[in-house]
Amino acid sequence: DAEITQSPRHKITETGRQVTLACHQTWNHNNMFWYRQDLGHGLRLIHYSYGVHDTNKGEVSDGYSVSRSNTEDLPLTLESAASSQTSVYFCASSDLRDNTGELFFGEGSRLTVL
Amino acid sequence: RKEVEQDPGPFNVPEGATVAFNCTYSNSASQSFFWYRQDCRKEPKLLMSVYSSGNEDGRFTAQLNRASQYISLLIRDSKLSDSATYLCVVKNRPGTASKLTFGTGTRLQVTL
Repeated sequence: DAEITQSPRHKITETGRQVTLACHQTWNHNNMFWYRQDLGHGLRLIHYSYGVHDTNKGEVSDGYSVSRSNTEDLPLTLESAASSQTSVYFCASSDLRDNTGELFFGEGSRLTVL
Repeated sequence: RKEVEQDPGPFNVPEGATVAFNCTYSNSASQSFFWYRQDCRKEPKLLMSVYSSGNEDGRFTAQLNRASQYISLLIRDSKLSDSATYLCVVKNRPGTASKLTFGTGTRLQVTL
């Protein structure tokens, strides 16, 4: 079955460290997204990509970067982790031709920055 | 004012009860509407789209009121397995899912 996987599922790091969260999907979807979810804020879009070599900033992109070198992967990098980036991160994908609201989410990565 | 607002709950209801959630949105030009379900510490999953004429999927009914800018989700004959957080989602512009705005969710707890 096609799926979308994230790793690591849990990570604790220190302020100032670089962190990369991996996202891999086997749906062959062109669209991929990174969200963060915090209490009281709902899901907020960090970065998204419509295809290979395409990346775009979302509403909370400061301090994050992504790259899309193939269809399957969209890694999210925190260049210098800050305590404000402690959150649960969800990767998601959708079909390019799909104009519905259906996103397929990974299981989430819980990041704690000390 | 938030783009999408929901009562966070929790709504505590007994099994078999009928429960309804509302969600208001601020952008009158919003195009499409959805309900997602999120179990505790799990990823969100699409529950149903919301159509202008209202739509039903088993025990779940979704309705849209464009004049008052709210959508609703009605759950009949609640089951223990319905316990989850229900996210209201609005798409403001045509295009892909990058235009989705998520509400903070309404938590439902169904009890024996």
